[in-house]
Amino acid sequence: SQQGEEDPQALSIQEGENATMNCSYKTSINNLQWYRQNSGRGLVHLILIRSNEREKHSGRLRVTLDTSKKSSSLLITASRAADTASYFCATVGRSGGSNYKLTFGKGTLLTVNP
Amino acid sequence: DAGITQSPRHKVTETGTPVTLRCHQTENHRYMYWYRQDPGHGLRLIHYSYGVKDTDKGEVSDGYSVSRSKTEDFLLTLESATSSQTSVYFCAISPTLYEQYFGPGTRLTVT
Repeated sequence: SQQGEEDPQALSIQEGENATMNCSYKTSINNLQWYRQNSGRGLVHLILIRSNEREKHSGRLRVTLDTSKKSSSLLITASRAADTASYFCATVGRSGGSNYKLTFGKGTLLTVNP
Repeated sequence: DAGITQSPRHKVTETGTPVTLRCHQTENHRYMYWYRQDPGHGLRLIHYSYGVKDTDKGEVSDGYSVSRSKTEDFLLTLESATSSQTSVYFCAISPTLYEQYFGPGTRLTVT
């Protein structure tokens, strides 16, 4: 079963605006990651935030993590048409024994209109 | 996609035929994964490998088998393809148990 659930499922904004996507999860995690997927391509890793971190920045990306609410948000500032893609959160937690497993949500489709 | 390739990139096959998809990496990463991506389901893990000859099942492993005889190659086999296995298949690699790097995908159609 899916661990992360992104919200909204689809988001359409104008170039220059900020885009915020949310991810909720159900069980304890080691870390949470965000990935981008352009149409017809593989996923690209964007940023990782560990369970003991609350906020992380990378360029125009800002990720927050609230482990008490089991939620994360991805903020893309000053969006560009090239940011149009699907964005997935993925949680890393134990799957039994000593193995960790990465579990993906269903994604948010972001459309940035020029 | 640098350092990881998948072959074939597209394949059409008939129900009941065996199919093998290949993932090849040049990064010497320990961990390799096979996912399928379907509308409404996101990415689901089929099988993964944590070393040569060491593999384990993911959440949708029924009807699939894998093999890893070399660090660089991870094969996914559909023993007898069914229409429900029509999907886009992604291979991923990882040096650790954390961030993963994805291949370009294989679009498989089972008629």
